[in-house]
Amino acid sequence: DTGVSQNPRHKITKRGQNVTFRCDPISEHNRLYWYRQTLGQGPEFLTYFQNEAQLEKSRLLSDRFSAERPKGSFSTLEIQRTEQGDSAMYLCASSPGQPQRTEAFFGQGTRLTVV
Amino acid sequence: SQQGEEDPQALSIQEGENATMNCSYKTSINNLQWYRQNSGRGLVHLILIRSNEREKHSGRLRVTLDTSKKSSSLLITASRAADTASYFCAWYSGGGADGLTFGKGTHLIIQP
Repeated sequence: DTGVSQNPRHKITKRGQNVTFRCDPISEHNRLYWYRQTLGQGPEFLTYFQNEAQLEKSRLLSDRFSAERPKGSFSTLEIQRTEQGDSAMYLCASSPGQPQRTEAFFGQGTRLTVV
Repeated sequence: SQQGEEDPQALSIQEGENATMNCSYKTSINNLQWYRQNSGRGLVHLILIRSNEREKHSGRLRVTLDTSKKSSSLLITASRAADTASYFCAWYSGGGADGLTFGKGTHLIIQP
């Protein structure tokens, strides 16, 4: 399967714990995006990488959130000191570098439940 | 982020009928895209229409774009039970922002 892969698919954690999600994009894609989606809403943009450089961060990305893409391949999204409001589906997407602003390829998402 | 509006929020039709969903957005755009999401899963890209295009077809899908009204519509013809899903429009906002902005989505149910 050469699509975008996300792990884990589901995560249940206690409030206050840290969690980390992983995204493996399509191998030849140098753009990688993280989105968050709550029930009944469309995805909301969190952050974006071009290769290993994090180029844009939404104001939704509080200081408890950090994302990395150390070698320009896979990416991790960490949430520290989780809160119940962090419960959501976290979606990763990738796209080719050129042409810009084209379609994005999404993974199946990681559903986070904070109890 | 500023999400657009989609209507209707939910739509239930009989198999074989056509389904039309509308999307309004708030900024200048480079292109507008439509995605489908099956329950609890990732999004699948359906079709992209550029800002200089007015209509585009792909199989049973027809998309229109009216940049003067900042609106788009997605028509699915001859609907099938497998078309049951949520449908989202999305666009890249102006000003160099590189993340997609999504509408709130239309939940489509096809009754067999």
